[in-house]
Amino acid sequence: NAGVTQTPKFRILKIGQSMTLQCTQDMNHNYMYWYRQDPGMGLKLIYYSVGAGITDKGEVPNGYNVSRSTTEDFPLRLELAAPSQTSVYFCASSYFGPSTDTQYFGPGTRLTVL
Amino acid sequence: KQEVTQIPAALSVPEGENLVLNCSFTDSAIYNLQWFRQDPGKGLTSLLLIQSSQREQTSGRLNASLDKSSGRSTLYIAASQPGDSATYLCALISSGSARQLTFGSGTQLTVLP
Repeated sequence: NAGVTQTPKFRILKIGQSMTLQCTQDMNHNYMYWYRQDPGMGLKLIYYSVGAGITDKGEVPNGYNVSRSTTEDFPLRLELAAPSQTSVYFCASSYFGPSTDTQYFGPGTRLTVL
Repeated sequence: KQEVTQIPAALSVPEGENLVLNCSFTDSAIYNLQWFRQDPGKGLTSLLLIQSSQREQTSGRLNASLDKSSGRSTLYIAASQPGDSATYLCALISSGSARQLTFGSGTQLTVLP
């Protein structure tokens, strides 16, 4: 099992550019999540999904979009990148929901918007 | 709105010392509380998960306690080792947001050889 994989590991974007952060899990988990972590801060939830075709907003969804066409993949799309989106992005997954089940995290994508 | 606080932000101890990391939260209506470890440049690894009906969980040299009435959790690390050096984050699910973890900002622990 590779667990949760994320690509790319690092990326620099110019203001106004767009990109997609990829996330794949091979554990057949139902739930998938996207978080961002700003320096010296805890993680904040951007979007989550409870299964293929079902997504919902988290605490900080503005400027992002997601889709979940398969159980394994949960890409995060940034449209019109802004300096405020400079952060480290983590994808996570779990079989059951967070009320009962721990989450498994990917290694993160470090994004800089200049 | 639930707020999670971890103090201190950084802690340095000599090897072999027993230590306690603190986590406090403002709303006692929670489903569970988790402690994670984060190594530089890596993702988070779950250490312990305590359900709201439980008072503590143990794994090896780690023991986490939960006191909902006082809004506090502690992570006890026995006989610390340099390999324990990492950032430790607590996170919880509030009853009002069953699908969202609220994270503290973490305590950066350094264990000196």
